Amino acid sequence: GAGVSQSPRYKVTKRGQDVALRCDPISGHVSLYWYRQALGQGPEFLTYFNYEAQQDKSGLPNDRFSAERPEGSISTLTIQRTEQRDSAMYRCASSLGQTNTEAFFGQGTRLTVV
Amino acid sequence: GQSLEQPSEVTAVEGAIVQINCTYQTSGFYGLSWYQQHDGGAPTFLSYNALDGLEETGRFSSFLSRSDSYGYLLLQELQMKDSASYFCAVRDSTGGSYIPTFGRGTSLIVHP
Repeated sequence: GAGVSQSPRYKVTKRGQDVALRCDPISGHVSLYWYRQALGQGPEFLTYFNYEAQQDKSGLPNDRFSAERPEGSISTLTIQRTEQRDSAMYRCASSLGQTNTEAFFGQGTRLTVV
Repeated sequence: GQSLEQPSEVTAVEGAIVQINCTYQTSGFYGLSWYQQHDGGAPTFLSYNALDGLEETGRFSSFLSRSDSYGYLLLQELQMKDSASYFCAVRDSTGGSYIPTFGRGTSLIVHP
């Protein structure tokens, strides 16, 4: 596609439910990053893939958070047993390679846990 | 880990020049990037510095001093549309990840 696509754009879920957030990176981009961004703050790193390999998951807050990228393209970030503190904007970014200077961000998924 | 410091807010008038500073701490510095984010939008890439000196891209320039762990973004001939948040992001090569770590952002307000 022309840019990084994330779906859904908005998700409202009840506390305790599981959610899956999808990211479709720019075609051919090897590196894929997940970030979480609170209002008025910078993107906070969650996890990173090179092709299908999850290279770094040190930013995932706890074991309720997981991510996969099974075929090296589309990625899914899953949050189990959601809590109100999980409410945030979740952003995906991709780049041609891990040393490429520019990361392209998607429009994000606004998650609200009620 | 990495840490970055940048001012929370900067104000300026249309047509002026403004500088947004960024200081960082990282063990394996690889490069410093700048991103712009308008309200409700996604961060978009502006510039990147890996070596000391000034990089110019139109009205925007970015500077890096690796010895001082310092960089800045310079915006010239300010326009109202430049009102946005600006983030510096450092890439660290430790562990071979090169993951961009972002600062908290600087809100630029341009007045007529």
